[in-house]
Amino acid sequence: DTGVSQNPRHKITKRGQNVTFRCDPISEHNRLYWYRQTLGQGPEFLTYFQNEAQLEKSRLLSDRFSAERPKGSFSTLEIQRTEQGDSAMYLCASSTEAGGAYEQYFGPGTRLTVT
Amino acid sequence: QKEVEQNSGPLSVPEGAIASLNCTYSDRGSQSFFWYRQYSGKSPELIMFIYSNGDKEDGRFTAQLNKASQYVSLLIRDSQPSDSATYLCAVIRGSARQLTFGSGTQLTVLP
Repeated sequence: DTGVSQNPRHKITKRGQNVTFRCDPISEHNRLYWYRQTLGQGPEFLTYFQNEAQLEKSRLLSDRFSAERPKGSFSTLEIQRTEQGDSAMYLCASSTEAGGAYEQYFGPGTRLTVT
Repeated sequence: QKEVEQNSGPLSVPEGAIASLNCTYSDRGSQSFFWYRQYSGKSPELIMFIYSNGDKEDGRFTAQLNKASQYVSLLIRDSQPSDSATYLCAVIRGSARQLTFGSGTQLTVLP
């Protein structure tokens, strides 16, 4: 399987706890994106990596959120002191711009429920 | 004005009919346009992308782009019940090439 993978698929946590999600992109893709999707809405951009460098962050990404891509391969997204408003599907996507292609392919997502 | 707008639907078509999904965008600088299909509880799946004005066909799907009117559409021919899903229109904006999505159109194909 050469698609994007994400773990865990589901996470239930209590308010105030920290959670960490992992994304493994398609192996030859150097660009990695995190998005968040709530019910009835399209995904919203959170942050972007090109190789190991985090090059852009959305204003949606509060100080409680941090993302890393330490070796330019997998990425982690951590949410500290979770709030009920953080409940959402967290999606990872990857792409390559080889040949001028901009298509992004999504992983299965991590569904977070904060109780 | 939202950056990417879609009719939320729901849109219902009978099996075998053509489903037409529409999307408008506000940023004239948008360069690349995408349609994703999303089944309930699943992640978005890329089904079409188009970068130039005109039509692009792939099997039963045709994407149409009109940059002057800032309009993108998706036609699904010979619609099947398995096409029932939410269809998300997305455009690329910004140096990060991040996707900006509409809220999606829910399509139901009636057997």
